[in-house]
Amino acid sequence: GDSVTQTEGLVTLTEGLPVMLNCTYQTIYSNPFLFWYVQHLNESPRLLLKSFTDNKRTEHQGFHATLHKSSSSFHLQKSSAQLSDSALYYCALLHTGANTGKLTFGHGTILRVHP
Amino acid sequence: ETAVFQTPNYHVTQVGNEVSFNCKQTLGHDTMYWYKQDSKKLLKIMFSYNNKQLIVNETVPRRFSPQSSDKAHLNLRIKSVEPEDSAVYLCASSYRVGYAEQFFGPGTRLTVL
Repeated sequence: GDSVTQTEGLVTLTEGLPVMLNCTYQTIYSNPFLFWYVQHLNESPRLLLKSFTDNKRTEHQGFHATLHKSSSSFHLQKSSAQLSDSALYYCALLHTGANTGKLTFGHGTILRVHP
Repeated sequence: ETAVFQTPNYHVTQVGNEVSFNCKQTLGHDTMYWYKQDSKKLLKIMFSYNNKQLIVNETVPRRFSPQSSDKAHLNLRIKSVEPEDSAVYLCASSYRVGYAEQFFGPGTRLTVL
C-alpha cells in the first residue's frame, strides 16, 4: 500500500535559519497528490501546501515545496524560520487510484524554533 | 459559522464502557472522515463516508462503528473501550471524495482508565 516517510521526528532551529523537512513517499499509482498539513499546539491539522504537478514549486505562507516524482519526494522548505512556525508538520499522500479520499500520513516532524 | 464541529471535547471512561462521539460539518461537503491520533501523534484514517455511504473502512477493531444520518453528520461509537483506544479522534470533511483539502474538527480526546 501507500506509505509516507518523514525521516526527522524533531527539528530544532534558531529563528532566521532556513527550514527543510523531508518527505518521501511510495505508491503504485503514477499520479500521486501530496500535501503538507501543519498542526499547532492544541489545534487540529490544517492544510499548508498541496501539489499534483511534477517539478512545479508550490508556495503558501512563506513555505514552499516541489513534487519530484523521479525521487518520490515532496520536501518542505522555508528560507527563514519564525518562532510561530513551531508546530507538528505532516506530509500526506492522497490515494488517487481508488476514489476513496484516503489520506496516508507520515509520522510527522515536530519543528521547534527558538530565539 | 461554517466549520467542522465535534462533541464532546474530552471524555474519560473506564475499560469496557461504551462511548459515542459526534461530528457535524456545516461546509456543505459530501465526504467525511474519522481519524485516530495516538499519543505519539500518529495520524491514521479509520473510516470515510461519502454522502452517507461508507467508502473506507480500515482495519480497526470491530468494537468501532461509524454512523451517518446524512452527509453533514458522522458519529463514532466504541463498544467496550480498551486502554489502547485512548487517543484524539479527529473528524474531517472534504468537498468531494478525493478532493484535495480535508478540513479537520477540533478533536475529541478519549482517556480510558
